[in-house]
Amino acid sequence: KNEVEQSPQNLTAQEGEFITINCSYSVGISALHWLQQHPGGGIVSLFMLSSGKKKHGRLIATINIQEKHSSLHITASHPRDSAVYICAVRNTGTASKLTFGTGTRLQVTL
Amino acid sequence: GAVVSQHPSRVICKSGTSVKIECRSLDFQATTMFWYRQFPKKSLMLMATSNEGSKATYEQGVEKDKFLINHASLTLSTLTVTSAHPEDSSFYICSVQGGREDTQYFGPGTRLTVL
Repeated sequence: KNEVEQSPQNLTAQEGEFITINCSYSVGISALHWLQQHPGGGIVSLFMLSSGKKKHGRLIATINIQEKHSSLHITASHPRDSAVYICAVRNTGTASKLTFGTGTRLQVTL
Repeated sequence: GAVVSQHPSRVICKSGTSVKIECRSLDFQATTMFWYRQFPKKSLMLMATSNEGSKATYEQGVEKDKFLINHASLTLSTLTVTSAHPEDSSFYICSVQGGREDTQYFGPGTRLTVL
């Protein structure tokens, strides 16, 4: 079993839909990252969380430390949101090393 | 603007040659940088942690003589793929941790194709 599990693996949505991507992890962490990777390959860090909730524009990320679970929400989705979304955790005691989930491939259609 | 740059963005080389990839931290000094590789439709795999002024720390299964890492300054780390083979073809990404919120910033990646 992977230390970081994401669901769903693939997601297709229509423009305007509310989207949720889930991440569960099995190890102690000091922080959790949500990353976005576009087809060209570049990776953008969307959020870094250690507790609670963060919001940036149409994106919301939440984390429940007790349940070892995080969610990324996209409101009013748009085709430009189409990308792979990756959850990555910084394990406690491993300095800055990240363990990555396998990613969720999101396709938003018109 | 970009916090981390990589050069080149794309390289095609013949089998047996060596390829150097540069990773630069543009906005802050970085004592630690990370090198990842990514196979198609797979997640990132940490190869090594690059430490300024000292030897890199390699992950299990990564050949240090194959993937040479040099962190010569606080803003530059290089990854050299020596005697490249087709199986080394991959997407190589570096990252830097730092900034106000101590977050991770990723470079745009380098796509290596070995013929």
